[in-house]
Amino acid sequence: AQSVTQPDIHITVSEGASLELRCNYSYGATPYLFWYVQSPGQGLQLLLKYFSGDTLVQGIKGFEAEFKRSQSSFNLRKPSVHWSDAAEYFCAVALIKAAGNKLTFGGGTRVLVKP
Amino acid sequence: DAGITQSPRHKVTETGTPVTLRCHQTENHRYMYWYRQDPGHGLRLIHYSYGVKDTDKGEVSDGYSVSRSKTEDFLLTLESATSSQTSVYFCAIDGGGSSTDTQYFGPGTRLTVL
Repeated sequence: AQSVTQPDIHITVSEGASLELRCNYSYGATPYLFWYVQSPGQGLQLLLKYFSGDTLVQGIKGFEAEFKRSQSSFNLRKPSVHWSDAAEYFCAVALIKAAGNKLTFGGGTRVLVKP
Repeated sequence: DAGITQSPRHKVTETGTPVTLRCHQTENHRYMYWYRQDPGHGLRLIHYSYGVKDTDKGEVSDGYSVSRSKTEDFLLTLESATSSQTSVYFCAIDGGGSSTDTQYFGPGTRLTVL
C-alpha cells in the first residue's frame, strides 16, 4: 500500500523568507502527487499536482514542487513567504483506478509565519 | 470553487446515537468520497462512490456506512457513534479515473461524540 510521510509537523518561517516543505512517498508504481493547503477552519485547496513530464511543477500562490524519483520525494517550495501562507499543508499520492482516485495523505505540516 | 456543500457543519452528539452527514454537489461528478481528518493523520479515506448505488470501502471504514441514491448526494452514516469517531469529516468529488482529474473538497463537518 502507498504511504506518504511529511517529516516536519511544524515549521516557523519569517515573512519574506523562503519555505521548503518535505514530502516522501512509498509507492510501487509511478505516483500521482499532490499538494493541498488548508487554512484554519477551511476545506482543502489544491496547490499543484504532478502526473508526468517536467519534474518541476508550478502551482498557485507562487508555489512550486519538484518530483525526484531517486529520492521518492515531492518537496514544496516558495521563494518568499507572505503572512497569508500560514496554514497547514498536505502532500498526497493517488492510486488512479477506473473506480475513482483514492488519495493517501501525509500527516500535514503546519506553517507559522513570523512578522 | 467547486459546488460542494456539507450538512450539518457542526454537530455534537452522544455515544450510541446514529448520525448522518450529508454531502451535496452541483457539479454532476461521478465520484464522491468521504474522508476524516485527525491531528497527525492527515485525511484518511472512509468510503467512496463511483456512481449511483455503487460504493466501496476505504482505509478506515469500520463503524461507517454510506449511501448514494442520486448523483448529487452522498450520505455518511455512523450507526452508533463512538468517541473515537470525533473528527472533522470532509467530502470530496472528482470526475473519474482520468489522470487529469482533481479532487475538490467540501468545507467539512466537525463532529463531536460525547
